[in-house]
Amino acid sequence: NAGVTQTPKFQVLKTGQSMTLQCAQDMNHNSMYWYRQDPGMGLRLIYYSASEGTTDKGEVPNGYNVSRLNKREFSLRLESAAPSQTSVYFCASSDPTGGNEQFFGPGTRLTVL
Amino acid sequence: AQRVTQPEKLLSVFKGAPVELKCNYSYSGSPELFWYVQYSRQRLQLLLRHISRESIKGFTADLNKGETSFHLKKPFAQEEDSAMYYCALSRSGGYQKVTFGIGTKLQVIP
Repeated sequence: NAGVTQTPKFQVLKTGQSMTLQCAQDMNHNSMYWYRQDPGMGLRLIYYSASEGTTDKGEVPNGYNVSRLNKREFSLRLESAAPSQTSVYFCASSDPTGGNEQFFGPGTRLTVL
Repeated sequence: AQRVTQPEKLLSVFKGAPVELKCNYSYSGSPELFWYVQYSRQRLQLLLRHISRESIKGFTADLNKGETSFHLKKPFAQEEDSAMYYCALSRSGGYQKVTFGIGTKLQVIP
C-alpha cells in the first residue's frame, strides 16, 4: 500500500497562475483533508471531505477550491495564486471508525513569486 | 470552539535529560487527544493517542481533564527524538475535524 500520495512534490508559480494539487489514498478511508503548514502557525485545515460527495471549509479556505473526485482522490485548486499561499501543503485521510488517526501524504512545497 | 495551545516553539534538552512537551486544550465535551511527530524529511505520523494509554518510543502522555492538558513526556531524551511534535484534538465518536497546535520543535543536544 502506498498510503497517501501527493503530486507534485515541488512547484513554483508566478502570482496569478493557477494549479491543482493532487492527492490519492488507497486505504479505503472515507474522510480526506487538506492542510497548510507554515512556520509558527502549525497545521491549518483548508478544506475537508467527511465522505465521498461532500466537502466543507476548514479554518483557512479563502483562495482555494477542492474536488472530491471519488473515494480515493481529493484535489486542491489554487485559481489565482498569491505569495501568501507559499506554504507546504499536506493531504491526509482518516477512517473515523478506526479512531480518527490521520494518515498524511509527503507534502507539496509551493512557492508563489 | 476547540483550541490547542503548545506554548513552546522550541525545546532544547541534552541527551539523557527528561523531556516534557506541553499541550493545553480548550474544548467543552469529550475530546480525543493525539500527539503527532514529524522527523526530518519524513511525513507527519501519529505518535500516540490518549485512548490507547500506551508508551511509544518511550513517550507517554496523560490526559488531565481538570487542567485540560495532555503533556508529552519521556524520562531520557535520545538524539533520534529530535523532531517537530504536534498536539491535536478532535471530538470523540465518528467523523470529527482535528485541530492541531502550532507545534514544538524538540532539539536533543548530544
